[in-house]
Amino acid sequence: DAKTTQPPSMDCAEGRAANLPCNHSTISGNEYVYWYRQIHSQGPQYIIHGLKNNETNEMASLIITEDRKSSTLILPHATLRDTAVYYCIVLIQGAQKLVFGQGTRLTINP
Amino acid sequence: NAGVTQTPKFQVLKTGQSMTLQCAQDMNHNSMYWYRQDPGMGLRLIYYSASEGTTDKGEVPNGYNVSRLNKREFSLRLESAAPSQTSVYFCASSIRDWDNEQFFGPGTRLTVL
Repeated sequence: DAKTTQPPSMDCAEGRAANLPCNHSTISGNEYVYWYRQIHSQGPQYIIHGLKNNETNEMASLIITEDRKSSTLILPHATLRDTAVYYCIVLIQGAQKLVFGQGTRLTINP
Repeated sequence: NAGVTQTPKFQVLKTGQSMTLQCAQDMNHNSMYWYRQDPGMGLRLIYYSASEGTTDKGEVPNGYNVSRLNKREFSLRLESAAPSQTSVYFCASSIRDWDNEQFFGPGTRLTVL
């Protein structure tokens, strides 16, 4: 699986958009970008995934650059409940094993 | 739907004791997983069950056994607990085998003294 690089921490004001970057310069053609988050003392939660097109669901948007070497997770209107560690994971479909790196600790401030 | 449930939430064992961690899902998912999470280590896959009646070893299976009792339930057993098994254990499920969208339970925090 390709390696990912994320900033260790970020802050965002409540109500604003939170933009979380992820670099994955060694991604291969059949690898997807997945985002999960883990709120303190809870199990990880799936957010969104994509291959090369931008994706949007009820939780977030995922923007993948044309060369696929980086992506950005966007939480459009962050709330205090979005404070969590966010993990960007690159893996093939059917990898079965999720491997979480260090992630980005996002703090939403009132 | 309750999603994925795990019992117990917390457990303290002495070295050598045995116990079973229970996991159940009500989403009619075919595949289930057991992970452990240690500080600074991320998630590591212990065992998984692609479908009812099958189980396979993951990355760190030593010291554990599993049972896929039926489609809903997947238990993890520690036969002789060791301090190195102190961790947070997460159960997860997915609709089908080879699905990277996994749904996690709240975790069991286990301490082995």
